[in-house]
Amino acid sequence: GNSVTQMEGPVTLSEEAFLTINCTYTATGYPSLFWYVQYPGEGLQLLLKATKADDKGSNKGFEATYRKETTSFHLEKGSVQVSDSAVYFCALSEEVNYGGATNKLIFGTGTLLAVQP
Amino acid sequence: ETGVTQTPRHLVMGMTNKKSLKCEQHLGHNAMYWYKQSAKKPLELMFVYSLEERVENNSVPSRFSPECPNSSHLFLHLHTLQPEDSALYLCASSQDKLDRRFYEQYFGPGTRLTVT
Repeated sequence: GNSVTQMEGPVTLSEEAFLTINCTYTATGYPSLFWYVQYPGEGLQLLLKATKADDKGSNKGFEATYRKETTSFHLEKGSVQVSDSAVYFCALSEEVNYGGATNKLIFGTGTLLAVQP
Repeated sequence: ETGVTQTPRHLVMGMTNKKSLKCEQHLGHNAMYWYKQSAKKPLELMFVYSLEERVENNSVPSRFSPECPNSSHLFLHLHTLQPEDSALYLCASSQDKLDRRFYEQYFGPGTRLTVT
C-alpha cells in the first residue's frame, strides 16, 4: 500500500539556520502531496501542498517540490524562527475504495523541529 | 482560527464511563474523519464518513462508535475504554471533488482524552 517516510527527529536548529526535513513516499498512481504543521496543543494545519510532478508548494517561507523521479517531497526553509518550532507531517492523498469520490490522507510519523534563539 | 471545532478539549474518564466527543465543521464540507494521535504511534485514521455514510473503518475496536447525523456534525461515542486509549482525538473535514487537485483536509484542535 501507499506510505510516507519522514526523517526522525527531533531536529534542533539555531534561529536563522536553514531547514530541510526529508520526506519520501511510495504510491501507485499520482497522489497529491502535503505538509501539515502541528503547534503545541493544537490540531494539524495545512502548510503547503503540490498536486503533480515538479509542482512547488510554498507558504510562510517554506517550500517543497514534488519530485516524481526520486519520490520525494522535502520541506525547506531558508531561515527558521523560534516560532517555527512544531511537529511537521508529510502526507499523501489516496482514494477511499467504496465507489465514491472521497479521499483520505496517509501521514508520515512526524518530525519535531525545535528552534533555539 | 479554524472552521472545525471539537468539544470537549480535555476529557478524563474512567474505564466504566460512557462519554461522547463532538466535532462540528463550518466549512460546508461533505466528508469527515476521526484520527487518533498517541505519543508512541503515528497518526491513525479511524473512520471516514462521506455524505453521512461511513465509508472506511480501520479495524477500530467496537468500544469506539462513530455517528454522523448530518454533514456538519460528527460524534465519537466512547464506552468501556482502556488506559491505552488515552490519546489526542482529532477530527477533520474535506470537500469531495472529482478533481483531486483541490482536495485538502482541515483539522480541529483535538480532544485530549485520558482514561483512568
